[in-house]
Amino acid sequence: DGGITQSPKYLFRKEGQNVTLSCEQNLNHDAMYWYRQDPGQGLRLIYYSQIVNDFQKGDIAEGYSVSREKKESFPLTVTSAQKNPTAFYLCASSIVGGHLNQPQHFGDGTRLSIL
Amino acid sequence: DQQVKQNSPSLSVQEGRISILNCDYTNSMFDYFLWYKKYPAEGPTFLISISSIKDKNEDGRFTVFLNKSAKHLSLHIVPSQPGDSAVYFCAASDAGNNDMRFGAGTRLTVKP
Repeated sequence: DGGITQSPKYLFRKEGQNVTLSCEQNLNHDAMYWYRQDPGQGLRLIYYSQIVNDFQKGDIAEGYSVSREKKESFPLTVTSAQKNPTAFYLCASSIVGGHLNQPQHFGDGTRLSIL
Repeated sequence: DQQVKQNSPSLSVQEGRISILNCDYTNSMFDYFLWYKKYPAEGPTFLISISSIKDKNEDGRFTVFLNKSAKHLSLHIVPSQPGDSAVYFCAASDAGNNDMRFGAGTRLTVKP
């Protein structure tokens, strides 16, 4: 069964810690995305990748980093530089890299909280 | 700046009646629009889309209408069913500039 898997579902971070959120897809999609959702706001794009070993910043990339070493994987690291990391994080993928006229497939999200 | 707005955070409808969810956008470069549905503890799932060259797209009980001059789109669900209760996100994309924006969502409750 093809899909996107995000782990963990819930994550707690201490002040000053970096944490990494996992995103794996077996849909053979070229493009992958990370979004952040805050209450009362739409999804905001953090980073996206159209192809392996390449990625671009979205609207709110500060305090985050990503890598795309494999087509199937697009992990997101929330660094200590992100001052307000508490949010719901969604990973998505789509068929054609960089072509936004394609529906995106989403994972079930990771909720990150600060201890 | 919110380029895609869903001004109604919630909507309640009786089962069997029509649900109308609205979405407004400000960027005239948007040329493709999508609706996603999200259940609690799950990621959004794609529901229906429309290109800017059309003004209507229908898929079963779901119809999306696009009014380019008003920069407005709406999703109609007829007849509404309790299983339609979810949060609905509107999204708009400008493929030429690699830009996609989401609205804040509307929570639909369909009462039996």
